[in-house]
Amino acid sequence: KQEVTQIPAALSVPEGENLVLNCSFTDSAIYNLQWFRQDPGKGLTSLLLIQSSQREQTSGRLNASLDKSSGRSTLYIAASQPGDSATYLCAVRSNDYKLSFGAGTTVTVRA
Amino acid sequence: NAGVTQTPKFQVLKTGQSMTLQCAQDMNHEYMSWYRQDPGMGLRLIHYSVGAGITDQGEVPNGYNVSRSTTEDFPLRLLSAAPSQTSVYFCASSYSGQVGDEQYFGPGTRLTVT
Repeated sequence: KQEVTQIPAALSVPEGENLVLNCSFTDSAIYNLQWFRQDPGKGLTSLLLIQSSQREQTSGRLNASLDKSSGRSTLYIAASQPGDSATYLCAVRSNDYKLSFGAGTTVTVRA
Repeated sequence: NAGVTQTPKFQVLKTGQSMTLQCAQDMNHEYMSWYRQDPGMGLRLIHYSVGAGITDQGEVPNGYNVSRSTTEDFPLRLLSAAPSQTSVYFCASSYSGQVGDEQYFGPGTRLTVT
């Protein structure tokens, strides 16, 4: 069974600092990995999808890397802004097409 | 496109009552799924469907039923509500369950069972 862990559970940084969010998974036989953002009381918004054959994916200030062999992904958010405050979830799609989620990292960016 | 829609947004049930959570998508997605989200536990898969007429169990299926009679709709039924089913429920869809797809989520239904 795929286990997904996100560390730290919470993070508080001053505006302008770069954010580094970590995700680890136990079974390296994955199809893809997806990063989501969740605002309080809202649904999930997809940020980046990395195929198992890719090493990284970029969108604006966001960059996600994937190291399948070590079971790790990292989400980098450059020059953080108060609007980046949210919970970030990592999800791994395994061989049976099911998504396994981490518990998330709650980010607070202080103005 | 409305994307993935869920109704109701909030619901309070008494123990033993039954209800149906509605989910619909207008993107012609084949793959639909239901998750529940509990504090500190991430999202857990309840049931999923790879197409109309096909459903399967996820990680935590007990106490829930699903059916998929059309591509657009995937309702989740609580047969006899229990306090342990207090949670936030999310419906998701994607074009297929295969490599490269992206999951799209609905806004969620917040359910309280007393």
